[in-house]
Amino acid sequence: EPEVTQTPSHQVTQMGQEVILRCVPISNHLYFYWYRQILGQKVEFLVSFYNNEISEKSEIFDDQFSVERPDGSNFTLKIRSTKLEDSAMYFCASSEFGRPGSYNEQFFGPGTRLTVL
Amino acid sequence: EDKVVQSPLSLVVHEGDTVTLNCSYEVTNFRSLLWYKQEKKAPTFLFMLTSSGIEKKSGRLSSILDKKELFSILNITATQTGDSAVYLCAVEWGSQGNLIFGKGTKLSVKP
Repeated sequence: EPEVTQTPSHQVTQMGQEVILRCVPISNHLYFYWYRQILGQKVEFLVSFYNNEISEKSEIFDDQFSVERPDGSNFTLKIRSTKLEDSAMYFCASSEFGRPGSYNEQFFGPGTRLTVL
Repeated sequence: EDKVVQSPLSLVVHEGDTVTLNCSYEVTNFRSLLWYKQEKKAPTFLFMLTSSGIEKKSGRLSSILDKKELFSILNITATQTGDSAVYLCAVEWGSQGNLIFGKGTKLSVKP
């Protein structure tokens, strides 16, 4: 069964460093998303991406964040200068949303746990 | 402010019990409501509900949406220890299909 994959599973970084989190969405999906979940809190929307551009972003997704689809398979989230409060689990999701008649069943990857020291 | 509220926040039952998890929402431009099961890591998709009053079933799990009263319930019958997880309710809104999540209900099923 096709699934969303993410690498690395755990990333430890120093405050101020740049990190890139990688995701491979399900191959025939058109919409891609990043969410984050701070420990003990709810899952929060960061950004949606369609047709090689950002569709929507939340208030959390400030200038320190960027997303890219550098090739036909990968979807990346970059945090330019990490802060302590960026420590969280980051989930990538994808869906067929965008195809005529499709519903937005979003399938989530296993997540990357980011720890900022 | 859009919000999704789940209750109870946690629940402890014994194997064989039936449980009902609740999700109420106040979201503009509602499109659908989704239920996910979160064990160790990634939320796993369970149901998507778009129409009121139509029950969706998958094995021992079922769910229904009431768009007039703005809530949904997730039922699990004959619970098993493997049902222990956090159950997340999320509402899809707007034209881009973004999800707003509730805090989840942590279900613990004791043998």
